[in-house]
Amino acid sequence: NAGVTQTPKFQVLKTGQSMTLQCAQDMNHNSMYWYRQDPGMGLRLIYYSASEGTTDKGEVPNGYNVSRLNKREFSLRLESAAPSQTSVYFCASSASGGANEQFFGPGTRLTVL
Amino acid sequence: KNQVEQSPQSLIILEGKNCTLQCNYTVSPFSNLRWYKQDTGRGPVSLTIMTFSENTKSNGRYTATLDADTKQSSLHITASQLSDSASYICVVSAFFGNNRLAFGKGNQVVVIP
Repeated sequence: NAGVTQTPKFQVLKTGQSMTLQCAQDMNHNSMYWYRQDPGMGLRLIYYSASEGTTDKGEVPNGYNVSRLNKREFSLRLESAAPSQTSVYFCASSASGGANEQFFGPGTRLTVL
Repeated sequence: KNQVEQSPQSLIILEGKNCTLQCNYTVSPFSNLRWYKQDTGRGPVSLTIMTFSENTKSNGRYTATLDADTKQSSLHITASQLSDSASYICVVSAFFGNNRLAFGKGNQVVVIP
């Protein structure tokens, strides 16, 4: 099992460009999450999907959109990238929400110039 | 105000020595507390989970304690190894949390030979 995979690993964008971060899990988990991690800030929830067909905003959703394509895949889209979105992005999944262990992907390091 | 506070922010220890990391939380009602280890450039990986009724949990050289009355947890690393160099993140889950977890900012541990 690969667990949680993310593509790409690194990306550099110019201000105003758009891109989609891809995430897939092979653990048959119901819930999936997108986080960003900034120095000195800890992990912050952007969006989550409690189950296939549902998505909800997290703590810092502005400037992002998500799509739960199917049970395995959950993508994060930046429509018009801004320097403030320079960060490391982690996708995670869990069997169900709440107290269950979340399994994290390796992260995508994004720089917006 | 952050619901999970960790200390010290960073520390350097000699290989073979022990260290203890602290986590104080205000999350309520409490469901469980996890310690995650995050190696540089990787996603976090769960080390231990503790529920309200547990006050000690071990995973190899890692021992976590929980005092639910004072809302404090600690992670003790015994006989540190170079591979213990990482960030250790305290994560607290609340009942009725709607998939939201409260993340600490992490304790950065550097083990030197």
